[in-house]
Amino acid sequence: GIQVEQSPPDLILQEGANSTLRCNFSDSVNNLQWFHQNPWGQLINLFYIPSGTKQNGRLSATTVATERYSLLYISSSQTTDSGVYFCAVEETSGSRLTFGEGTQLTVNP
Amino acid sequence: EAGVVQSPRYKIIEKKQPVAFWCNPISGHNTLYWYLQNLGQGPELLIRYENEEAVDDSQLPKDRFSAERLKGVDSTLKIQPAELGDSAVYLCASSLGGPADTQYFGPGTRLTVL
Repeated sequence: GIQVEQSPPDLILQEGANSTLRCNFSDSVNNLQWFHQNPWGQLINLFYIPSGTKQNGRLSATTVATERYSLLYISSSQTTDSGVYFCAVEETSGSRLTFGEGTQLTVNP
Repeated sequence: EAGVVQSPRYKIIEKKQPVAFWCNPISGHNTLYWYLQNLGQGPELLIRYENEEAVDDSQLPKDRFSAERLKGVDSTLKIQPAELGDSAVYLCASSLGGPADTQYFGPGTRLTVL
């Protein structure tokens, strides 16, 4: 099956800093989603982005499908951004989302 | 609009006991998913329903796990008998269409098997 690798595994920031999270995948995809899991375990969908660039407030994401990677940008980070960020992909030959292992983000005040 | 509802939020049982989890998806969502999330890992799909039909259950350990989605709305996931290795968070999600649509997750049920 498709492999999804996220980096870095852990990231610690001071409030106000910017960060970039990366997701590499091993095969062609027709669906890529970014999720945030807060410290209480709730998973929230951030972006549906199989290709191109999207922005939502301080967050933006870019997927370069031909090169099999996606980036999630967080600007002016806040303590509420803390949690785990997951990338999930659906390969073109499949019908399910495969999640990476996530990036654990801690934003300190 | 209410989100995905799951119950119970926490469950502690002894090994070999049965356990059941319940999920109510977002109204109008045809597709329902059960995921398993082990500590420090991403969710893994157990089963996907489109309306009442289980269209992807290839990752469900059918010797001890079962699921149903009566009338294409609520769903129940059961484990019988539970094993120590089943301790995890069980997440339910729903989407309007299939996996390509945005998936909305419930808060999960944290299962501890002693």
